[in-house]
Amino acid sequence: TQLLEQSPQFLSIQEGENLTVYCNSSSVFSSLQWYRQEPGEGPVLLVTVVTGGEVKKLKRLTFQFGDARKDSSLHITAAQPGDTGLYLCAGEWTSGTYKYIFGTGTRLKVLA
Amino acid sequence: SQTIHQWPATLVQPVGSPLSLECTVEGTSNPNLYWYRQAAGRGLQLLFYSVGIGQISSEVPQNLSASRPQDRQFILSSKKLLLSDSGFYLCAWSEVGVREKLFFGSGTQLSVL
Repeated sequence: TQLLEQSPQFLSIQEGENLTVYCNSSSVFSSLQWYRQEPGEGPVLLVTVVTGGEVKKLKRLTFQFGDARKDSSLHITAAQPGDTGLYLCAGEWTSGTYKYIFGTGTRLKVLA
Repeated sequence: SQTIHQWPATLVQPVGSPLSLECTVEGTSNPNLYWYRQAAGRGLQLLFYSVGIGQISSEVPQNLSASRPQDRQFILSSKKLLLSDSGFYLCAWSEVGVREKLFFGSGTQLSVL
């Protein structure tokens, strides 16, 4: 059972386009994190959202946590080839356990 | 500063052979430690995590095991590898009391033939 579903699974866009990646669950999470992973490397943390409805911006990336804390989105404005990678959401399955589960992943390719 | 070391980077093993992957963390004490497995281009599957020496939580029934012989050392093992054990194995750590941040090693690409 996959507890964190991401969509789309794959995304190929032209440089300069905008895109949104979604992370959905039927469960409530105390927080959600977004990571980006390059081929052959470990994921690197981009941001953590904690409060329902919270919006965080990281340059051209905008992250939002759903009001009910069951979902999150990542929006990229004016995508660049350097944004290419695997985007993963993650959350602590039960608060206080330190057990982190990951989403199914979205592979993004930005064409120059 | 804290660093995490994971080795080897790549490994090719025959079916039925044993496995030992090692992960060590430097620059912190009593970290939470994790082993994940990743299929090509997909999400991470949590295999084991540990909140202290000798405390191992197993998430997926399989022929793998984990041990934490020292505070900052986490080992993933198998007595007999299966074809289905192939994948990208990632070790990670988090700081106790500091949630929502996982730091990953560079991974081990395991091919079982």
